[in-house]
Amino acid sequence: KAGVTQTPRYLIKTRGQQVTLSCSPISGHRSVSWYQQTPGQGLQFLFEYFSETQRNKGNFPGRFSGRQFSNSRSEMNVSTLELGDSALYLCASSIGNTGELFFGEGSRLTVL
Amino acid sequence: SQQGEEDPQALSIQEGENATMNCSYKTSINNLQWYRQNSGRGLVHLILIRSNEREKHSGRLRVTLDTSKKSSSLLITASRAADTASYFCATDAVYGNKLVFGAGTILRVKS
Repeated sequence: KAGVTQTPRYLIKTRGQQVTLSCSPISGHRSVSWYQQTPGQGLQFLFEYFSETQRNKGNFPGRFSGRQFSNSRSEMNVSTLELGDSALYLCASSIGNTGELFFGEGSRLTVL
Repeated sequence: SQQGEEDPQALSIQEGENATMNCSYKTSINNLQWYRQNSGRGLVHLILIRSNEREKHSGRLRVTLDTSKKSSSLLITASRAADTASYFCATDAVYGNKLVFGAGTILRVKS
């Protein structure tokens, strides 16, 4: 079974730009969660989607948004990038009941 | 904010020794999980323990859970250099429907 795939793996943007990150979950998994990881704040929950509906949202500004498609693939978007948005963005999929999460390798975003 | 807090923040041991990491959390939980992360990569699930369980084993891993103290410990026996990684506890709060991760323990196993 293929694992969770995140694209792109690395990207560099400048302040004010926007970015879209993609996540393909494990086949059959309907829940996709996104986390931001930084050295200072650790792993912070962004949001979770289940069957195309946002089921839970973390404490991030409205510049952070996401969506899930009918095939369970998910995207997250960050608009008007700030230096502090530099982080490793991790996507995780699961069957859906906060059991084991399966993580992708992450998308490392650098904002200059 | 983070629900779980691990200690120590960093741990350095010799190959063959045991490593113990602790996690404390704040609210009632459905389950507690431990994950490993190798430098800058994705997290890998190690073990899940439910709130009605007190101890669980998986290979060289032993996890305990004390819900009265809101704490858990992860013991890695006979450590190997390949165990060098960051270890995170994650809690599934009763009224949360999401996993909240602690700050992690950095384990270094010297060969």
